[in-house]
Amino acid sequence: EAQVTQNPRYLITVTGKKLTVTCSQNMNHEYMSWYRQDPGLGLRQIYYSMNVEVTDKGDVPEGYKVSRKEKRNFPLILESPSPNQTSLYFCASSLSGSGFNEQFFGPGTRLTVL
Amino acid sequence: DQQVKQNSPSLSVQEGRISILNCDYTNSMFDYFLWYKKYPAEGPTFLISISSIKDKNEDGRFTVFLNKSAKHLSLHIVPSQPGDSAVYFCAASSSGNTGKLIFGQGTTLQVKP
Repeated sequence: EAQVTQNPRYLITVTGKKLTVTCSQNMNHEYMSWYRQDPGLGLRQIYYSMNVEVTDKGDVPEGYKVSRKEKRNFPLILESPSPNQTSLYFCASSLSGSGFNEQFFGPGTRLTVL
Repeated sequence: DQQVKQNSPSLSVQEGRISILNCDYTNSMFDYFLWYKKYPAEGPTFLISISSIKDKNEDGRFTVFLNKSAKHLSLHIVPSQPGDSAVYFCAASSSGNTGKLIFGQGTTLQVKP
């Protein structure tokens, strides 16, 4: 089954404790992206990757890191989480970085930073 | 600065009637528009899209209309079904913009049996 998977689905942590949210897709997509969803703000892009070893900042990259060592994986790293990073996070992938490609989303990771 | 706006946070309609969800945008560089549907505890799923060279696209019960002069698009669901109850996000992109989607705030649709 074609899908985007994220782990963990739920995470409660404390300020400053490094964490990684994994994302994997099995569709051989070139493009991957991370979004956060906050009430009243919709989904905002954090980082994206056009292909392996190619990553760039989205609209809200502060406090986040990503890497793209393999085509299928695109982990999101919070080196020192803070309470304002409490949010619902979605990973997405698409065939290419063209704006005309449908993006497929993972199920989401709900992160709470105390 | 919200480039894509969905001004109605919620909408309630009766089963069998038409649901109309609206979306406005400000950036004239957008040339592709998408609607996503999201159920609780799931990721958004693609519903329907429209290119800026068209003014209408239809897929079964779902039709998207684009009015470029007004920078407005709408999603019509006819007839509405209880299973359509979800959050609907409008999104926009431009062909030269590295695949980035700009999302609206979302509208929660409730279809009552």
